[in-house]
Amino acid sequence: QQQVKQSPQSLIVQKGGISIINCAYENTAFDYFPWYQQFPGKGPALLIAIRPDVSEKKEGRFTISFNKSAKQFSLHIMDSQPGDSATYFCAASIKGSGGYQKVTFGTGTKLQVIP
Amino acid sequence: GAVVSQHPSWVICKSGTSVKIECRSLDFQATTMFWYRQFPKQSLMLMATSNEGSKATYEQGVEKDKFLINHASLTLSTLTVTSAHPEDSSFYICSARDTASGAFGYTFGSGTRLTVV
Repeated sequence: QQQVKQSPQSLIVQKGGISIINCAYENTAFDYFPWYQQFPGKGPALLIAIRPDVSEKKEGRFTISFNKSAKQFSLHIMDSQPGDSATYFCAASIKGSGGYQKVTFGTGTKLQVIP
Repeated sequence: GAVVSQHPSWVICKSGTSVKIECRSLDFQATTMFWYRQFPKQSLMLMATSNEGSKATYEQGVEKDKFLINHASLTLSTLTVTSAHPEDSSFYICSARDTASGAFGYTFGSGTRLTVV
């Protein structure tokens, strides 16, 4: 069962446009929602994250919008650049029995920004 | 920032042999590290949680005897794929959290591409 659903699977955006990736989750116990960026052959890198008591968080060109009642959150990339071309994963985490956060990843969105 | 070094970055091995992958936290101590597996164009699936000085916790469906995890120090966790077969070919990624930083940020290694021939 996929606990974090992500869409679209792939996305092509023109340079300067807005890239929007959506995610939905099932488990209301999730208490942290990070987004990761992954380039081919590399591990994911944390991009931005939000807690469920906040509806929006912005860092530079990247914004997370969070809708707790709908159990949905999204990543907006403003002024998209070719260098943003990568695979983006949303994720949700919950504190495990060992005291650490256990992360569940979405299925990923391959973003291509064309000049 | 926190850096996690993973080695090797790629390895090719013959079917039936074992392969060891190392994950090191370079500038912080990590009592807990995580091992993921990623198939091409798919998401990361958590395989196991590695705890320093104790047994690893494996996710459902992951064979403990096939994927041996050792977390002997606060900066090193190893994953050994024993008696590897072509279906074990995948991208393996570790991650760790700098608990001293107080932040969420899990740092990922660069991954290891394993090809079993």
